[in-house]
Amino acid sequence: AQTVTQSQPEMSVQEAETVTLSCTYDTSESDYYLFWYKQPPSRQMILVIRQEAYKQQNATENRFSVNFQKAAKSFSLKISDSQLGDAAMYFCAYIYGNKLVFGAGTILRVKS
Amino acid sequence: EADIYQTPRYLVIGTGKKITLECSQTMGHDKMYWYQQDPGMELHLIHYSYGVNSTEKGDLSSESTVSRIRTEHFPLTLESARPSHTSQYLCASSELTLTEAFFGQGTRLTVV
Repeated sequence: AQTVTQSQPEMSVQEAETVTLSCTYDTSESDYYLFWYKQPPSRQMILVIRQEAYKQQNATENRFSVNFQKAAKSFSLKISDSQLGDAAMYFCAYIYGNKLVFGAGTILRVKS
Repeated sequence: EADIYQTPRYLVIGTGKKITLECSQTMGHDKMYWYQQDPGMELHLIHYSYGVNSTEKGDLSSESTVSRIRTEHFPLTLESARPSHTSQYLCASSELTLTEAFFGQGTRLTVV
């Protein structure tokens, strides 16, 4: 079965500090895309960062970066200098059968 | 900013009523999707479409139906709403070769 596992239902971080959200996945494909999506309380899902599996270099987008370990099938998201606006549900996802498959999500709380 | 719109944002309706959730996108995307997001926040694909006159069942069985008469429009219909249909419904779109999906703001449906 093609699955995405987010083992942390909830995480907290102090404002300005760094937090890492974990994600593991299972796929038999050799080339694929991985994503982190953010869903703030307003509910619209927003793409945070995308990684192409054939690229060894970890993707970065401003304060967001990933640690992609292809052999371990691990795809964690690091948020640096956390801000109050980062508080949201974060979903890890990948493409299987030309469809997006999501993990269960991690609620991130940011403390001021 | 993603140009994909869902209406209504919130809907409270009585059991047995017929409802249609609207989804429109202005990006010219071929593929469109409906996800159901349950109270535990997991997302499950219930319908998708490759283009006009194409509709497919997703991974989660649903009593809803969809149609795709125009590229930009992908409505979801429930012929007879039940309390078990209470959920958040998210519409998304992508190009035919999926490398990124864009989401609407969602419709929160409550059936009483």
